[in-house]
Amino acid sequence: AQKITQTQPGMFVQEKEAVTLDCTYDTSDQSYGLFWYKQPSSGEMIFLIYQGSYDEQNATEGRYSLNFQKARKSANLVISASQLGDSAMYFCAMREEEGNFNKFYFGSGTKLNVKP
Amino acid sequence: GAVVSQHPSWVICKSGTSVKIECRSLDFQATTMFWYRQFPKQSLMLMATSNEGSKATYEQGVEKDKFLINHASLTLSTLTVTSAHPEDSSFYICSARTGSSDNQPQHFGDGTRLSIL
Repeated sequence: AQKITQTQPGMFVQEKEAVTLDCTYDTSDQSYGLFWYKQPSSGEMIFLIYQGSYDEQNATEGRYSLNFQKARKSANLVISASQLGDSAMYFCAMREEEGNFNKFYFGSGTKLNVKP
Repeated sequence: GAVVSQHPSWVICKSGTSVKIECRSLDFQATTMFWYRQFPKQSLMLMATSNEGSKATYEQGVEKDKFLINHASLTLSTLTVTSAHPEDSSFYICSARTGSSDNQPQHFGDGTRLSIL
């Protein structure tokens, strides 16, 4: 089974509207971390937001918030008040602890297009 | 779904040795492969982009002679850290994509933890 699933290959949103990017994950670990990254056309991966498995409150960073539903194993990214500069690929990722090192798993990405 | 295998998962070696990391696309042809290095604040720095059969395009500040990238086939790219030193210790991740369009999904390897003593 895939560790991280992003079911939306591409999405459009009107500027200034909110958008939700879906992410579900699969793990049997109790301790894990969930991440969202933004990848502009330059290729770099920009860290946006992190949610620890034991965090009771949803993580927020400015216009980004992570809708963490542990029982459903979902970690959707919500971008409020979309801006044209938000157009990019977005990747959901999970870090599991395995022995002495971590393993990272990434989804295949969602291409977000913000329309003016 | 598409699978990218990265090997090894974890390597510890002495300063001065060279380390090769392999990135394989197991069930698709990867025209383009990317190599990233993770820094402490979680972001992944793009080191280079490689297209099958051509030289890798390195990002500014990445030493080409130190981080040798070879993309010899549509299913394999390698990153060799030459004469590794403790400051090269990091988490390296590869990803692969079919085609050159940004709209196509990328598939990531599990990463390699490199520790240089």
